Amino acid sequence: GNSVTQMEGPVTLSEEAFLTINCTYTATGYPSLFWYVQYPGEGLQLLLKATKADDKGSNKGFEATYRKETTSFHLEKGSVQVSDSAVYFCALSDHTNAGKSTFGDGTTLTVKP
Amino acid sequence: EAQVTQNPRYLITVTGKKLTVTCSQNMNHEYMSWYRQDPGLGLRQIYYSMNVEVTDKGDVPEGYKVSRKEKRNFPLILESPSPNQTSLYFCASSFKQGTYEQYFGPGTRLTVT
Repeated sequence: GNSVTQMEGPVTLSEEAFLTINCTYTATGYPSLFWYVQYPGEGLQLLLKATKADDKGSNKGFEATYRKETTSFHLEKGSVQVSDSAVYFCALSDHTNAGKSTFGDGTTLTVKP
Repeated sequence: EAQVTQNPRYLITVTGKKLTVTCSQNMNHEYMSWYRQDPGLGLRQIYYSMNVEVTDKGDVPEGYKVSRKEKRNFPLILESPSPNQTSLYFCASSFKQGTYEQYFGPGTRLTVT
């Protein structure tokens, strides 16, 4: 079956530090890849997505590139802010299985001023 | 405003007392799904529905029921709740074609004593 493996957390950074959260996946076919973010007390919301190899998704200063050769979709941001503190989920959707989604375990990011 | 709503947001109940958590979306999405989120276990799918009157089991369906009589609604039913169903529950929806990005409700925190 499909699987998503995320870098274990929690991650604590100082404001303006560089962020990388690693994500690798196993899937049949060519899934779409996503990063969702969950702010405290809220549901998940889409942060960015990529639908095919070498696509780069970006939003709010975050970026991730769909790397088919390494089956990875690492999340990066050049300068984090306190407001980026949240839980980040890597996920895929399987086009060969009616879009069934598989999520990673989530990585908690805390940014300190 | 496009959204997924869940009710109630918080619920404390006792073992064996039947309960229903409602979910509604206003985006005309065909696909709806229920997840539970537990510390250290990430997000696990309980049930999903591809369209009206079409439902299927996810990864952890035991102890839950669902129905999809209308496109916009997808209630989650716990016929005889047990303490191991204490969790944070999310409803999500998406179109059944395209990239399958999901829209999540705000969550329902359930405690079964």
